[in-house]
Amino acid sequence: SQTIHQWPATLVQPVGSPLSLECTVEGTSNPNLYWYRQAAGRGLQLLFYSVGIGQISSEVPQNLSASRPQDRQFILSSKKLLLSDSGFYLCAWSGRRETEAFFGQGTRLTVV
Amino acid sequence: GDSVTQMEGPVTLSEEAFLTINCTYTATGYPSLFWYVQYPGEGLQLLLKATKADDKGSNKGFEATYRKETTSFHLEKGSVQVSDSAVYFCAFGGSNYKLTFGKGTLLTVNP
Repeated sequence: SQTIHQWPATLVQPVGSPLSLECTVEGTSNPNLYWYRQAAGRGLQLLFYSVGIGQISSEVPQNLSASRPQDRQFILSSKKLLLSDSGFYLCAWSGRRETEAFFGQGTRLTVV
Repeated sequence: GDSVTQMEGPVTLSEEAFLTINCTYTATGYPSLFWYVQYPGEGLQLLLKATKADDKGSNKGFEATYRKETTSFHLEKGSVQVSDSAVYFCAFGGSNYKLTFGKGTLLTVNP
């Protein structure tokens, strides 16, 4: 069966520090991969999605970037965090021609 | 543009009450429709789905019917439990394989 791992679960970082969140998927190949952000009291905002290695689409301009160095690995990064980057970050995957997505457990990021 | 509008919460019910959370969507074509549930501090779990008009998705006592004529996918449960307390998200998936989510509805069920 397919599983998705996302880490760390919680993170507290100072303003201006770098960020790296990692997500890996097991039990499937060539998945579509997604990074979402959920701000307090708001819905989910799609940040990035990827349909293959090295292929990243950005949905909104922001202080973050994403990379997909391997088929089942998706990384969310920032060179310098802002206070406004605080939130709950969710990684997800879907099958190649499917829209049904499966989510990781999320990372609670607090920038202080 | 594409969007999902769902009932704003919070919704507070007593155990065994009837639940309805309204959801309507604006999209081109005939997307797949989903309800996701998020328990405190966790990621989203798929609750149910429907892929074509008049389909009824169901799981754990929850149901939702894909209504093309009203572009709606309302979530219902006949008798809620305390353990159903969570945030519920309506979503649709289009031809670009991306999900568009509503803002979520917080449900609290009291014993």
